[in-house]
Amino acid sequence: EVQLVESGGGLVQPGGSLRLSCAASGFTFSTYFMHWVRQAPGKGLEYVSGISSNGGSTFYADSVKGRFIISRDNSKNTLYLQMGSLRVDDMAVYYCAKGDRSNGVGATVYWGQGTLVTVSS
Amino acid sequence: QLVLTQSPSASASLGASVKLTCTLSSGHSSYTIAWHQQQPEKGPRFLMKLNSDGSHSKGDGIPDRFSGSSSGAERYLIISSLQSEDEADYYCQTWGTDIQVFGGGTKLTVL
Repeated sequence: EVQLVESGGGLVQPGGSLRLSCAASGFTFSTYFMHWVRQAPGKGLEYVSGISSNGGSTFYADSVKGRFIISRDNSKNTLYLQMGSLRVDDMAVYYCAKGDRSNGVGATVYWGQGTLVTVSS
Repeated sequence: QLVLTQSPSASASLGASVKLTCTLSSGHSSYTIAWHQQQPEKGPRFLMKLNSDGSHSKGDGIPDRFSGSSSGAERYLIISSLQSEDEADYYCQTWGTDIQVFGGGTKLTVL
C-alpha cells in the first residue's frame, strides 16, 4: 500500500524558513517523480514543485521560484521542501504526491494527508 | 497559456448521475488530464487519468460508478448512482513540460 506521510509544518513568522519532509513507502520511491502541491484555507489546489526520480530535474511554480527548494533522498525514501522567505500567502496545507512516471511532470496518482504551514507574526 | 476551467458548483440527487466538465484552454485540446476527489477535511484522492480520445485509467479501488469521457477540449467526469459520500470537491489537473495546472474545482452537492 502506498503511503506518504508529511511532517515539518507549523507556525513561522513572515520572512522565516521551514523544511517539510515526506516519508514514502509501499512503492519503489527512487523510480518515481514526486510533487508538492498546496491548498490555502478555503481555496483550491496549487502546484508548488516537482522533482524527477533521480533528483536531476526540478520544477517550481513562479510563486515560489527562488524561495523554495525541492530535494529528495532516495536512500531514505524521503522527499523534502525547504521553504524560505515565507510570506503570509504561503500559508496552506502542503501535500506530498507521487507522480505517475520517473521523468517529466505528469499526473499525481497518490496523495499524502498534508501538513499545515501557518505564516503569521 | 495552459488553463483548466471548471464550474464552481454542481448538484444532483441521491441515486442519480452527474457529469462534471473540465475545459482545456485553446490550443491544448489534445492534453491528457487527471481527475481528483477531495472529500471534506481530507486530502485529495486520484480518480483517473483521461485521454483526449476518452480512454481512461482509474486509480486503485475507484468504483465502476466513476467514469470519464472527452469531446474536443472538454473532459468529463461521470458519476452514476450517486451516494452521499460522493459529496466532495472535484479537481481536474493537467501538465506541461515543466508545470502542473489545476482547475478551480467543482463542489458537488448530493441532494
